[in-house]
Amino acid sequence: QVQLQESGPGLLKSSETLFLSCIVSGDSMSGHYWNWIRQPPGKGLEWIGYIYPTGAVNYNPSLESRVTISIDTSKNEFSLKLTSVTAADTAMYYCARERVAARPGGQFDYWGQGTLVTVSS
Amino acid sequence: DIQMTQSPSSLSASVGDRVTITCRASQNIYRYLNWYQQKPGKAPNLLIFAASSLQSGVPSRFSGSGSGTDFTLTINSLQPEDFATYYCQQSYSTPFTFGPGTKVDVK
Repeated sequence: QVQLQESGPGLLKSSETLFLSCIVSGDSMSGHYWNWIRQPPGKGLEWIGYIYPTGAVNYNPSLESRVTISIDTSKNEFSLKLTSVTAADTAMYYCARERVAARPGGQFDYWGQGTLVTVSS
Repeated sequence: DIQMTQSPSSLSASVGDRVTITCRASQNIYRYLNWYQQKPGKAPNLLIFAASSLQSGVPSRFSGSGSGTDFTLTINSLQPEDFATYYCQQSYSTPFTFGPGTKVDVK
């Protein structure tokens, strides 16, 4: 059974850098794309970006200047770094696996439970 | 970016009802359309991928149809566990984008 688990600080101050990790269990990271998706409280879903085990990445242009996604397949883990956070970055952050590696992909079949990140001013 | 819209934004239904939710893309996305169900405090759950393919483990009362710009999610014989918010999502091109959601609640 594939499981994803996010971890990271729940509270940040404006202008700080957010670091989140996602541990993958029950599956090898090879052959899948690994994504970050967020959801502000009471609002809809926003795709942040993905990474492939080769290190290939693709980011949402709306966040690209502030986002870095990295991967450590030896630890079955991938991570999100978001710089210069503001209150607008307050959201539930999810990590998710894509169902297949074929492009264009984008079918998210396994998700973490999510971790709430609050940015205070 | 491809914009996704959904209608209605919310609906009230009873157990046993047939429910239909519509999703529209701002450009042709062929059949690169997925549907998710989200319950309060939980992560979204993939129901339908590629417009009409049922994800493993999802009950057959869920079905999807459409292509191009117009898509539909149908729930036949609504069950108590189906009261939730439903999102469509295009996977034709990045950035992947989601619709605003349709909340299905109890009439």
